[in-house]
Amino acid sequence: KAGVTQTPRYLIKTRGQQVTLSCSPISGHRSVSWYQQTPGQGLQFLFEYFSETQRNKGNFPGRFSGRQFSNSRSEMNVSTLELGDSALYLCASRLGMMTEAFFGQGTRLTVV
Amino acid sequence: KQEVTQIPAALSVPEGENLVLNCSFTDSAIYNLQWFRQDPGKGLTSLLLIQSSQREQTSGRLNASLDKSSGRSTLYIAASQPGDSATYLCAVPLPNSGNTPLVFGKGTRLSVIA
Repeated sequence: KAGVTQTPRYLIKTRGQQVTLSCSPISGHRSVSWYQQTPGQGLQFLFEYFSETQRNKGNFPGRFSGRQFSNSRSEMNVSTLELGDSALYLCASRLGMMTEAFFGQGTRLTVV
Repeated sequence: KQEVTQIPAALSVPEGENLVLNCSFTDSAIYNLQWFRQDPGKGLTSLLLIQSSQREQTSGRLNASLDKSSGRSTLYIAASQPGDSATYLCAVPLPNSGNTPLVFGKGTRLSVIA
């Protein structure tokens, strides 16, 4: 079956712009989580959605937001981009709360 | 607060060697622990998930153990191959958060030399 699909794979944006990233989870999975990975901080949790509701949120400013649609696809949005937002953004899907997390290939965001 | 530490940060071994990667966590109130592999610039590939009620989980040449009481897990790789070269990450759920946000270690970067 198809894995977790993230689009686009690469993005280059200018400071001050906004960006939207997309994640399609594995079919049947209703939980989608987002993570930011940087060389300095490693992997950090952004937020998690389950059945269109945000269930958990990490320690990121309000410029980072997300949503989930009825088909479980999720988007995350970053407004007023800063240089420090350059990172690999990873999406994970799960079938249920204590089940295995499966990650997508990520979106590499570069802010210039 | 949950903190995850992985030792060593980097490891270089000759092909065919058996090796052990270590992961420790500070809060033992976890439901499970997951090991991942990450190739450069790529996403994470799930290797093994160990539930808190299990002590070991095996997949092919990989064997992961979990000792909740001591806050430790090990990933054993048998007969290493150059294709095993990657960064290995362990992750545990953040306690008291619905079990979903994962807390990751910084990883062990493994190089297997042919």
